[in-house]
Amino acid sequence: DAKTTQPPSMDCAEGRAANLPCNHSTISGNEYVYWYRQIHSQGPQYIIHGLKNNETNEMASLIITEDRKSSTLILPHATLRDTAVYYCIVRVNTNAGKSTFGDGTTLTVKP
Amino acid sequence: GAVVSQHPSWVICKSGTSVKIECRSLDFQATTMFWYRQFPKQSLMLMATSNEGSKATYEQGVEKDKFLINHASLTLSTLTVTSAHPEDSSFYICSARDQGDTDTQYFGPGTRLTVL
Repeated sequence: DAKTTQPPSMDCAEGRAANLPCNHSTISGNEYVYWYRQIHSQGPQYIIHGLKNNETNEMASLIITEDRKSSTLILPHATLRDTAVYYCIVRVNTNAGKSTFGDGTTLTVKP
Repeated sequence: GAVVSQHPSWVICKSGTSVKIECRSLDFQATTMFWYRQFPKQSLMLMATSNEGSKATYEQGVEKDKFLINHASLTLSTLTVTSAHPEDSSFYICSARDQGDTDTQYFGPGTRLTVL
């Protein structure tokens, strides 16, 4: 599975959009981009995933560049409860695909 | 999203004893489950891939005889830490692949193991 690179930490003001970047320059054509977050002492929570097209759900939006070498997770209106470690993972959607976690980005939402 | 549970949520045991952790997919069937370990202030580290009805596949450096994995049904995988030692104290997290939901992996809430 491809390696990802994320900034170690980011701050965001409450109510503002949080934009979390992820670089995955070695991504293969059949690998999806997944985003999870982990709030302290809990298991990771699935947020969103995509292959080529931009995706949106009730939690967030995922913007994938045309060359697929990077992506951005957008939390449109961050709240204090969004403070967590956010992980970007790339993997294939087959039985061979397994999620390998990097260090993620610690997002701190401030009042 | 799909729900994955773990039991127990925390356990304290004496050195040398064995501890079993259960991972269940509550509203979907999972032919594949994964076990991770997380030490304080570190990321999740994949330990093994558990396939229903077959032997688990362990990541390099993980002792298969120490961390016994059984995936006897499509909704249950168990991890047994045998002859636990203080260095095995960690946060153990399982995940299950929901093949009916574009193959998304969902994670359990984790089990905090403390070995005295």
